Amino acid sequence: IQLTQSPSSLSASVGDRVTITCRASQVIGKYFAWYQQLPGTAPKLLIYAASTLKSGFPSRFSGSGSGTDFTLTISSLQPEDVATYYCQQLNSFPWTFGQGTKVEIK
Amino acid sequence: QITLTESGPTLVKPTQTLTLTCTFSGFSLNIPGVGVGWLRQPPGKALEWLALVHWNGDKRYNPSLNNRLTITKDTSRNQVVLTVANVGPVDTATYYCAHSSGDLELLRFLWFDPWGQGTLVAVSS
Repeated sequence: IQLTQSPSSLSASVGDRVTITCRASQVIGKYFAWYQQLPGTAPKLLIYAASTLKSGFPSRFSGSGSGTDFTLTISSLQPEDVATYYCQQLNSFPWTFGQGTKVEIK
Repeated sequence: QITLTESGPTLVKPTQTLTLTCTFSGFSLNIPGVGVGWLRQPPGKALEWLALVHWNGDKRYNPSLNNRLTITKDTSRNQVVLTVANVGPVDTATYYCAHSSGDLELLRFLWFDPWGQGTLVAVSS
């Protein structure tokens, strides 16, 4: 299953609403996750089952979607959100990732 | 608290076999629904899933690596080992191991969490 993630990068102002999309080449159930990779660090699970926020992350992060189209939204971008975000499908092997979205502050 | 730590060489020569060890704590790989996976990330590039070993010994591999991967678990030592045969420059990457779990009723995986800190491996003569 191919995952097409867009945009590949974005620059937004603090407080802006940011949306990242991930489109799968086949229908995926709830086996979909988002990860946050801060610069120079290992990825961290951000959202699982398409829309469940991992405990410890602020509620400005949310995930939605079903079928083939999924979205990660940051409702109010903060400086600490500067990172690369990846989507992943765990519906069928081989598990695959999107190409990543690098989020920067304008 | 679950922790995973990768270890292995930082430099390997082309055509050699790379052996990486993931040592974990805070969970048992005997529990149904639990797995440990290996992933990698070439410098400046995206994440790539490589392999997964399940609690029951089942193994899954990324076919894009053309049968060069072998994953094994040693439950008594809390370790998972990945070997990559016949390495080349394209195998230069940070290699991560990660705990996988999810729906324990359906025994379906929903995430990789947490990840180890990663180990950078360069392939060069």
